[in-house]
Amino acid sequence: KNEVEQSPQNLTAQEGEFITINCSYSVGISALHWLQQHPGGGIVSLFMLSSGKKKHGRLIATINIQEKHSSLHITASHPRDSAVYICAVRLIQGAQKLVFGQGTRLTINP
Amino acid sequence: SAVISQKPSRDICQRGTSLTIQCQVDSQVTMMFWYRQQPGQSLTLIATANQGSEATYESGFVIDKFPISRPNLTFSTLTVSNMSPEDSSIYLCSAGTSYEQYFGPGTRLTVT
Repeated sequence: KNEVEQSPQNLTAQEGEFITINCSYSVGISALHWLQQHPGGGIVSLFMLSSGKKKHGRLIATINIQEKHSSLHITASHPRDSAVYICAVRLIQGAQKLVFGQGTRLTINP
Repeated sequence: SAVISQKPSRDICQRGTSLTIQCQVDSQVTMMFWYRQQPGQSLTLIATANQGSEATYESGFVIDKFPISRPNLTFSTLTVSNMSPEDSSIYLCSAGTSYEQYFGPGTRLTVT
């Protein structure tokens, strides 16, 4: 079993829909990252969370440390949100190494 | 925040050759890492680049295949040696402090 599990693996939605991507992990962490990867391969860091909730524009990320679960929400989704969204956890042990989920491929149709 | 640049952004190489990827950070960072993302897979840590000393490799990765240098706090190189088609991947540089982690744009390598 992977240490970081994301669901769903693939998600297709219509423009304007509310999107939720989930991440569960089984290890002790000091922080959790949500990343966005576009087809060219480059990765953009969206959020780093250690507790609670963060919001940036139409993106909201939450984390529940007790339940070892995080969610990424996109409100009023747009075709430009189409990308792979990756959850990564920073382990308590192991310096600043990250363990990555498999990613969720999101497609927003106009 | 820190901005990371990588060169080259992509390359097509013949098997048996080697490619060196450069990673430059615009500010001093504590840690630098190299990751590999094979087609359809998630990212896997290759090694932690240590300033002025040998890199720390993860299980399954060896220095002879992936030599890494980090001469200072803002620059590192990864060489993919004696390439085979199985080395076709995106190679990603990442750098961080105690509070943040940043990612480069990646290098897309195709080995023919």
